[in-house]
Amino acid sequence: QVQLVESGGALVKPGGSLRLSCAASGFRFSDYYMQWIRQAPGKGLEWISYISGFTSTHYADSVKGRFTVSKDTAENSLYLQMSSLRAEDTAVYYCARAVRGNSYLIDYWGQGTLVTVSS
Amino acid sequence: EIVLTQSPGTLSLSPGERATLSCRASQSITSSYLAWYQQKPGQAPRLLMYGASSRATGIPDRFSGSGSGTDFTLTISRLEPEDFAVYYCQQYGTSPTTFGQGTKVDI
Repeated sequence: QVQLVESGGALVKPGGSLRLSCAASGFRFSDYYMQWIRQAPGKGLEWISYISGFTSTHYADSVKGRFTVSKDTAENSLYLQMSSLRAEDTAVYYCARAVRGNSYLIDYWGQGTLVTVSS
Repeated sequence: EIVLTQSPGTLSLSPGERATLSCRASQSITSSYLAWYQQKPGQAPRLLMYGASSRATGIPDRFSGSGSGTDFTLTISRLEPEDFAVYYCQQYGTSPTTFGQGTKVDI
């Protein structure tokens, strides 16, 4: 069965950096677009990035130039390198898989990992 | 980017009642690429509907979706206790994808 397990969330100071990981299993990783979506406390969902099966990437304007998505197909792992973190980046970060053949329609989500940016 | 506006913000209903949730887009959504997700407290969202009116795998038929262009609706015909949650619409036809702000269905 498909499983997505995020890790790496932590408390970090403004201006700091953090790397999130997502371990994927139960499907051929290279066949799918993988996403990062976040949810600030008590707020809605915000798409922030994807990486395609061919490793093309795309970012929301809110994180462009600060966040970098990457993956290790051999390890079935997805990463999000976050830098220049701001208070408004505080959120639960979800790793998610898009439906095969689609860039953005999500069929599986991880359980999320909390990133708190505060001094 | 396409802005999705959901209404109402909160829907207070009882089990057995019908719920009608609205999602309005700032511009026409390509090919009715509109999805609905359900999220319960402390959980990740779950895909309910895609293509405006197709149910995802395992979703009961009390959930239905309709609409096209800029106006879409999610209907829950008879609310079950497990349906009380927050519902989000998402357009996935135009990059970047965007989500509505959510409608909370509570008792």
